[in-house]
Amino acid sequence: AQKITQTQPGMFVQEKEAVTLDCTYDTSDQSYGLFWYKQPSSGEMIFLIYQGSYDEQNATEGRYSLNFQKARKSANLVISASQLGDSAMYFCATGGYSSASKIIFGSGTRLSIRP
Amino acid sequence: EAQVTQNPRYLITVTGKKLTVTCSQNMNHEYMSWYRQDPGLGLRQIYYSMNVEVTDKGDVPEGYKVSRKEKRNFPLILESPSPNQTSLYFCASSADRVGEKLFFGSGTQLSVL
Repeated sequence: AQKITQTQPGMFVQEKEAVTLDCTYDTSDQSYGLFWYKQPSSGEMIFLIYQGSYDEQNATEGRYSLNFQKARKSANLVISASQLGDSAMYFCATGGYSSASKIIFGSGTRLSIRP
Repeated sequence: EAQVTQNPRYLITVTGKKLTVTCSQNMNHEYMSWYRQDPGLGLRQIYYSMNVEVTDKGDVPEGYKVSRKEKRNFPLILESPSPNQTSLYFCASSADRVGEKLFFGSGTQLSVL
């Protein structure tokens, strides 16, 4: 079975500060992927970053990085130098290769950036 | 342009009146899925499909049906909608459920009165 836990329902951060959004996962798959998506107030789902379970390096995409700690089953998203446009809902997700696996999401974190 | 086309964008209906939300992708993706989004609950999976004629239940399949007769299309059917199915629905597709991102449709806001 798979499970994603996001323990921060909402966060407020000052503009230009770095922010970490927490995500822990549980999976019985040996090979799996971890994803972060952003949902602004307009409603669309925007892919941010991906980490494979066998990747040794933490993934980075511009201001986004994924702090992957496999032993702790943790996949936190780090946004450096936050901007007003980063205000949105953020979802962590995972998918695996087993026959029973599928892509599932956490409950999300609403991030608000203060000017 | 690579995209997932989902229709309609908004839908208001009454209890018991059958409806279909269409979903089509032009990327030849094998994996397709339906999610519903409710406040505080995130995106919960309704049904997913690994390929043509292969569909499986997600976490909240009750009250929904799907079919995958063609690779590009994955419609969501509500045979007898009820008010607790009022939600924001997303269709998504991916080339690979582990290593490739999901492409999402624009969403369908459904209200069942």
